Amino acid sequence: NAGVMQNPRHLVRRRGQEARLRCSPMKGHSHVYWYRQLPEEGLKFMVYLQKENIIDESGMPKERFSAEFPKEGPSILRIQQVVRGDSAAYFCASSPRGEGEQFFGPGTRLTVL
Amino acid sequence: QKEVEQNSGPLSVPEGAIASLNCTYSDRGSQSFFWYRQYSGKSPELIMSIYSNGDKEDGRFTAQLNKASQYVSLLIRDSQPSDSATYLCAVNVDKIIFGKGTRLHILP
Repeated sequence: NAGVMQNPRHLVRRRGQEARLRCSPMKGHSHVYWYRQLPEEGLKFMVYLQKENIIDESGMPKERFSAEFPKEGPSILRIQQVVRGDSAAYFCASSPRGEGEQFFGPGTRLTVL
Repeated sequence: QKEVEQNSGPLSVPEGAIASLNCTYSDRGSQSFFWYRQYSGKSPELIMSIYSNGDKEDGRFTAQLNKASQYVSLLIRDSQPSDSATYLCAVNVDKIIFGKGTRLHILP
């Protein structure tokens, strides 16, 4: 019974490049959430998606960030033209229903040089 | 603005004692409450969920919820060094909001 999977686990990008982070939810889960965590900081909500729909993107920066959860395949968080301030751990969580327990993946550590 | 407040700590507790972690929240409409444990460099791990007033026990862990006081707590009995971690309180209104966490240090 595989848990939430994220890849890559570590990603290094130079300023101006694109970062693409992937998340496969637990089997049977159709709700996906993305969070960002800076060192010594709390989890900051970014976006909540269901299959093919963005439900809540109130935590997403207006520019350079986008997310999708297609009918087939993993959810993808895309960061265009990365800057050093984007360096953080990005966690994906999934849930079988919208307001229930969330289960986290191992995270992707993004480093922008 | 909906908020979840936790004391950042560190909270130091001798091995074998009871660790008490506290959390307050601002929105009276909150219905679901969760405690997560996060080891340094790792992802959050769900350890308890509670939905109604009172106590809920699971092994060495007890979650306590008081909706009238907008207060949720986590007790860890017989604390072990492996319990040393950051504990995140999470509250669900229209989305889950996480507190910044309390660092717990169990002293051997």
